[in-house]
Amino acid sequence: GQNIDQPTEMTATEGAIVQINCTYQTSGFNGLFWYQQHAGEAPTFLSYNVLDGLEEKGRFSSFLSRSKGYSYLLLKELQMKDSASYLCAVRDGREAAGNKLTFGGGTRVLVKP
Amino acid sequence: EPEVTQTPSHQVTQMGQEVILRCVPISNHLYFYWYRQILGQKVEFLVSFYNNEISEKSEIFDDQFSVERPDGSNFTLKIRSTKLEDSAMYFCADRDREYEQYFGPGTRLTVT
Repeated sequence: GQNIDQPTEMTATEGAIVQINCTYQTSGFNGLFWYQQHAGEAPTFLSYNVLDGLEEKGRFSSFLSRSKGYSYLLLKELQMKDSASYLCAVRDGREAAGNKLTFGGGTRVLVKP
Repeated sequence: EPEVTQTPSHQVTQMGQEVILRCVPISNHLYFYWYRQILGQKVEFLVSFYNNEISEKSEIFDDQFSVERPDGSNFTLKIRSTKLEDSAMYFCADRDREYEQYFGPGTRLTVT
């Protein structure tokens, strides 16, 4: 089975940096995803890590350590529009499982002026 | 940029009624999924579908649920006899041979 933990809520100031941690215990790991979800909307893809290390994509970076079962999403130069939930999701590597995603509960980030 | 689309955006139904939620995946994508999200809770996997058959289903996906791809473009989720606890956002997703899953905008199902 899969168990994915992330903080429920974080608050940060516009222009600052926030780091959202995610820990997981899984069977059949084949990649970790971060999605952004605004209230009432669908998740939108932010990043994907399958190997250890840092992936940078503009203001967003994601890090993975497979040996520690740990990832983080780093949001830099926060903007008001970044207020949203950030979902950590692990991909099941078993082709028979169709590479389904298992999601954590999401971290709600509130950006204050 | 091609998108996954879903209809309807909101469906209200009475308990015990059948509902069909529709999805049009991105053309040429091969893998299809349904997820649901009860208000305030996490996104949960329901079922994956590849090559016209179910790859895996979760314990949520019981005999009341079924999926099909009737005409090579639409991908549907049917709930035979809805219950109050089926009220949720239902997201269709798909992917090509790469890793990213593309989510549709969702259908909000309200069972009264």
